Amino acid sequence: KQEVTQIPAALSVPEGENLVLNCSFTDSAIYNLQWFRQDPGKGLTSLLLIQSSQREQTSGRLNASLDKSSGRSTLYIAASQPGDSATYLCAVIQGGSEKLVFGKGTKLTVNP
Amino acid sequence: EAGVVQSPRYKIIEKKQPVAFWCNPISGHNTLYWYRQNLGQGPELLIRYENEEAVDDSQLPKDRFSAERLKGVDSTLKIQPAELGDSAVYLCASSLPSGGAYEQYFGPGTRLTVT
Repeated sequence: KQEVTQIPAALSVPEGENLVLNCSFTDSAIYNLQWFRQDPGKGLTSLLLIQSSQREQTSGRLNASLDKSSGRSTLYIAASQPGDSATYLCAVIQGGSEKLVFGKGTKLTVNP
Repeated sequence: EAGVVQSPRYKIIEKKQPVAFWCNPISGHNTLYWYRQNLGQGPELLIRYENEEAVDDSQLPKDRFSAERLKGVDSTLKIQPAELGDSAVYLCASSLPSGGAYEQYFGPGTRLTVT
C-alpha cells in the first residue's frame, strides 16, 4: 500500500527566505506526482504536476523535483512571501490507478 | 474557464439525518472524483467516475453512502443516515480522461458537520 509522508508537519519562516518542503513515498511505481496548496477552509489548488519520466517542474517561484528511485520529491519556494502561507500537500498516482494518494501536508507560515 | 463547482459549501445536520452534496466538473472533463478530507489529513478517494460509470468505488462505505453521475456530467454524493464520524470536508475533483496523466482540479469542498 502506497504511503506518502511530508516533513516537516509545520514550518515558520521570515519573509524573503528560500525554503524546501519534503515529500516521500514508499512505492516508487508512480505515474505522476502533484503538489497542491490548500488555504484554510478552501479546496485544493494544483501547483505543479511532475510526470514519472520528468525530474523537475518550475512555475514562477516554485520548483518541484522528483527522484522516483529514492521515493522523494521536494518543493522549493524562492523568496517566500506572507501570501505563500498555506498548507502544501503532496500526492502521487500509482501506475495503473487514477487515485491520488496524499500526504498529510506541511503547514507553512511566512512572517512579515 | 469555470472551475469545479460544489454546493452547498457548508452543511450542519443531526446524526441519522440524510445529506446530499452536488458537484459540477470542469466542462469537458470526463473523469470525476469524490474525496473525503478529515481534519489534519490529506484527502482520500471515495469514488471515481469515467463518464457515468463508477470505475473505482472500493473506498465508498456502501452501507450508507451512494453516488450517481447522471448523463456523465454533474454528480451527487449522498449519505443516509449520517453518523458523527462523517464530519469532514467532501471534495469533488475532475480531470481529462488520462490514465493518470492529467492534473486533477478540485472544487472548494463541502464542509459537513454532524451533531
